[in-house]
Amino acid sequence: EVQLVESGGGLVKPGGSLRLSCAASGFSFPNAWMTWVRQAPGKGLEWVGRIKSKTNGGTTDYAAPVKGRFTISRDDSKNTLSLQMNSLKTEDTALYYCTTGFCTSSSCHWDDAFDIWGQGTMVTVSS
Amino acid sequence: QSALTQPASVSGSPGQSITISCTGTSTDVGGYNYVSWYQQHPGKAPKLLIYTVSNRPSGVSVRFSGSKSGNTASLTISGLQAEDEADYYCSSYTLINTLVVFGGGTKLTVL
Repeated sequence: EVQLVESGGGLVKPGGSLRLSCAASGFSFPNAWMTWVRQAPGKGLEWVGRIKSKTNGGTTDYAAPVKGRFTISRDDSKNTLSLQMNSLKTEDTALYYCTTGFCTSSSCHWDDAFDIWGQGTMVTVSS
Repeated sequence: QSALTQPASVSGSPGQSITISCTGTSTDVGGYNYVSWYQQHPGKAPKLLIYTVSNRPSGVSVRFSGSKSGNTASLTISGLQAEDEADYYCSSYTLINTLVVFGGGTKLTVL
């Protein structure tokens, strides 16, 4: 079964740090480009950042609001994606999803269409 | 990067068709054919309905269709069913400040 399971969420004070994990199974994780998307309570979806597969350089890109504070990494030996969040702000309060795209016979859609999603892990930043 | 503009809500009766618009700019929706649509039921993760403007992933009902004209993309749901009641989000690839920008979401009510 194709599955993504996030963990690590919780309550943290402003300025604090938290590390989220996402365990992948049922698909070729090392070949997948992995993305984090968040959703503030009652709000819409927001792209957070992405890490490419190691064969594609393993590089990362981040949304402007989190750049310099969040770091995405991957451990292909454990099929695990991580999101290290530092200098947390109240506006980072959200449900954090890990997600990934897919390839068809003609093209890959790693950055534009996400068809596997986890259930999300909630991060609350509050004093 | 501002979110793509979607109507906050739309409604329709069972069996009818509805269309949800998603307006961006030439740097996102208008500049790339990488528009996707997602359905999200309360308390659930989003589900991909449409990718590259008008393609349906395997398993998605043919009642869902997508199109684009200029800076505006559209999702049409035909033969509305009660189970279609959900939030719908569009997204587009972009290279301005982020890689992906989402719409603010549209709540569909099936009357």
